[in-house]
Amino acid sequence: DAKTTQPPSMDCAEGRAANLPCNHSTISGNEYVYWYRQIHSQGPQYIIHGLKNNETNEMASLIITEDRKSSTLILPHATLRDTAVYYCIVRVEGGGSARQLTFGSGTQLTVLP
Amino acid sequence: GAVVSQHPSRVICKSGTSVKIECRSLDFQATTMFWYRQFPKQSLMLMATSNEGSKATYEQGVEKDKFLINHASLTLSTLTVTSAHPEDSSFYICSARDLGLGRERRSSTEAFFGQGTRLTVV
Repeated sequence: DAKTTQPPSMDCAEGRAANLPCNHSTISGNEYVYWYRQIHSQGPQYIIHGLKNNETNEMASLIITEDRKSSTLILPHATLRDTAVYYCIVRVEGGGSARQLTFGSGTQLTVLP
Repeated sequence: GAVVSQHPSRVICKSGTSVKIECRSLDFQATTMFWYRQFPKQSLMLMATSNEGSKATYEQGVEKDKFLINHASLTLSTLTVTSAHPEDSSFYICSARDLGLGRERRSSTEAFFGQGTRLTVV
C-alpha cells in the first residue's frame, strides 16, 4: 500500500470548514484513498473513500487531485465532536479479501469553540 | 449502531494473570478479523490477523504464545493476553469487514472497528 503524509495537527473554528490534506505521491492506479477518524479512546470510524472522482456523503467530502497524488478531506461545518485524529489510508481494494488497514500518524484535528 | 462489538471496554488486571478480550461481528459473518494495539499518543499497530477455523497470522515482533487468538466461529474472535505485564498495558482494538457471506453485504469496502479495550496491568 502507498505511503501517506499528513500534517500532525490542525485547528479549526467551530462552524467553519475543516480541510485536512493528505499526500500520497506514490499511489498506484488501483489504489483507493480512505479516510478514517478516531475520537479519543474509541475505535476508528470510517468516513469516506474514493478512487479518482470527488466523493461526498453525509459526513464529509473527499477531493482527489487529477494526478491522484494528494487529496483533501472536507468537513463542511466542523463541530466540537469532530475533534479527533484523522487517518488517510491508501490501499488496493481486495475484491473480496479482508486485508488489514495500515495506519500512519494521522492528523489531530482540534475544533475550537 | 455498532456492528463490531468488543468486550470488555476496560479491564484492570494483576501482573501475571491472563485477560481475554472478545470481538463480535453483530450482524455479519467475518472469516477474518484483525487485532490492533495502540499505545498512548501513537497510531494503531496491527498485531495479528485472526482467521476462522485456522491459526492466526502474527506480525513480526508479536509473540504468538503470549497473545493467543481464537476465531472459533464466524462472528467471534478472542484475544487472550497471557501472563500480562505492565508493559502490555495498552488500547486493544479489533476490526472486521463485511464480505457479504451468506447474504447481501452491508457495505462494499469499509472496515468496522470495535470500541476498543483499555487494558491496565498493575
